Amino acid sequence: KQEVTQIPAALSVPEGENLVLNCSFTDSAIYNLQWFRQDPGKGLTSLLLIQSSQREQTSGRLNASLDKSSGRSTLYIAASQPGDSATYLCAALTGGFKTIFGAGTRLFVKA
Amino acid sequence: ETGVTQSPTHLIKTRGQQVTLRCSSQSGHNTVSWYQQALGQGPQFIFQYYREEENGRGNFPPRFSGLQFPNYSSELNVNALELDDSALYLCASSWGGTNTGELFFGEGSRLTVL
Repeated sequence: KQEVTQIPAALSVPEGENLVLNCSFTDSAIYNLQWFRQDPGKGLTSLLLIQSSQREQTSGRLNASLDKSSGRSTLYIAASQPGDSATYLCAALTGGFKTIFGAGTRLFVKA
Repeated sequence: ETGVTQSPTHLIKTRGQQVTLRCSSQSGHNTVSWYQQALGQGPQFIFQYYREEENGRGNFPPRFSGLQFPNYSSELNVNALELDDSALYLCASSWGGTNTGELFFGEGSRLTVL
């Protein structure tokens, strides 16, 4: 059974800091891994999608990596801003067309 | 390009009632999946529909059922509501019905069961 864990559960950093969010999964047989952002009470906004054959994806200040052999993905946010404050979720697409989410990392960037 | 839209945005039901939630997929997408998100937790996969058939299901009882229509819109039906069904219900659309499509989410339907 696939399990997805995100560490840390919460993070508070000063504006301008570079930071890394971690996502681990127990079964390496994933098809892809997707990172999302969620603002309070809202839906999920897709940030980056990494296919199983890829090692990383970049979009602006965001960079996501995937290491299937170790069951890990990281989301790197450069030069954090107060507008980056949100919950960040990772999701692994597994066999049986199931998408398994982690519980998320709540990020607060202080101005 | 039209994004994923869900309705209603909020609703209140009492225990034992039935509810229907609706989702219109993003233009060009033919696959819809549904998720339940309790407060402070990550979304839990309920099921996925592709070409009007369920092709994946999470650990939810049969009282959670769904439909997909020829225009790829979808419904989530929950019978015999329980207090623990109170949650944000999210719909996502993607292309292809495979395990490689990027998911795009709607804003969700907030269900409160009293």
